[in-house]
Amino acid sequence: SQKIEQNSEALNIQEGKTATLTCNYTNYSPAYLQWYRQDPGRGPVFLLLIRENEKEKRKERLKVTFDTTLKQSLFHITASQPADSATYLCALLSGGYNKLIFGAGTRLAVHP
Amino acid sequence: GAVVSQHPSWVICKSGTSVKIECRSLDFQATTMFWYRQFPKQSLMLMATSNEGSKATYEQGVEKDKFLINHASLTLSTLTVTSAHPEDSSFYICSARDSGVNTEAFFGQGTRLTVV
Repeated sequence: SQKIEQNSEALNIQEGKTATLTCNYTNYSPAYLQWYRQDPGRGPVFLLLIRENEKEKRKERLKVTFDTTLKQSLFHITASQPADSATYLCALLSGGYNKLIFGAGTRLAVHP
Repeated sequence: GAVVSQHPSWVICKSGTSVKIECRSLDFQATTMFWYRQFPKQSLMLMATSNEGSKATYEQGVEKDKFLINHASLTLSTLTVTSAHPEDSSFYICSARDSGVNTEAFFGQGTRLTVV
């Protein structure tokens, strides 16, 4: 069956460190993978999109990698800040590239 | 980025009543909108794909007569939870993409439904 797996355990890190979140998928062949941020009681907000032919994508303090052989994406936040504390979701397009399917998300807590 | 507005942000209703949630794309035309449901500390579960001018496509296990979706225009989709029960209490979120399939989705702020 198709699965998108993210670490269910919360990730606690110290301010200034790099946070690394993992997204693994099975039985998908996505052309694109996306990362979103969700704050409590709010809808997700888009962060980054990476295509299958891209190994890495950067945006300010964010970096995403995409390894289609390992079927894995890593999401990095460098120089993390308490304001980065949120749940981060990875998502794949499915259903003929029409439907966006989400992983369960990983909650990140950045401590001062 | 594009804006998707969802209303109401929260609603409390009695068992047996129906509740309508609106989702509007404010600055773009959304041929397709998506409705998700999210339980506490769980992922967004896709309920249905809403296509303008045609019937919605529901995911397996989602009752189409329970969750009525109408997409009457390119900027408005509605979800009506009919004969609501306490187990329908959840966070409902809509989303839309403004062009193509390789672009990000924009989400509404979500609606917290509590059925008492």
